[in-house]
Amino acid sequence: EVQLVESGGGLVQPGGSLRLSCAASGFTFRSYWMHWVRQAPGKGLVWVSRINNDGSDTDYADSVKGRFTISRDNAKNTLYLQMNSLRVEDTAVYYCARETGYVDYWGQGTLVTVSS
Amino acid sequence: SYELTQPPSVSVSPGQTARITCSGDALSKKYAYWYQQKSGQAPVLVIFEDSKRPSGIPERFSGSKSGTMATLTISGAQVEDEADYYCYSTDTSGYYRGVFGGGAKLTVL
Repeated sequence: EVQLVESGGGLVQPGGSLRLSCAASGFTFRSYWMHWVRQAPGKGLVWVSRINNDGSDTDYADSVKGRFTISRDNAKNTLYLQMNSLRVEDTAVYYCARETGYVDYWGQGTLVTVSS
Repeated sequence: SYELTQPPSVSVSPGQTARITCSGDALSKKYAYWYQQKSGQAPVLVIFEDSKRPSGIPERFSGSKSGTMATLTISGAQVEDEADYYCYSTDTSGYYRGVFGGGAKLTVL
């Protein structure tokens, strides 16, 4: 069974940093591209970032480019999102998701709150 | 930046057909995908590559596309189909940029 479990969310002040993790199991993690998608409270889904299977190619939404870094450790079956220079508008549930040519499986998400 | 436009809400009675549209210029060149999100839950893929249904998704869910508009159709909508539905695609800039529609709240009552 495919499982994606996010962790690392929490409360952080504006300008601060946070690193999210996504532990994958039930599939051959190193074979799949992976995504991060976020959802502000009461709002819609927003695509954040994508990484290819070996970590050599990444893409970002304009709103996070230069502040967020997606990475992965295939030996640990784990996806990461390093978030720096956080803003109040980055407050959201962050989901990791698997791509099979398209995003098919999602984790349950981890909440990031940016507030003073 | 590229946008996908959905109606904010759609309402039908149980057993009726619900249609949720998604419009965007790049849809004429890119596939549309549809996700269902029930309250407090993670999204679930219900349609991929415009009209294909993943295993486990009921047959009443179908997708179509014409030009720059994609449509999710739920034939014989049931109370348990009440959820937010999001379309998803990518732009044609040459760089990968994923884009979700704003979401449509389907009410079945």
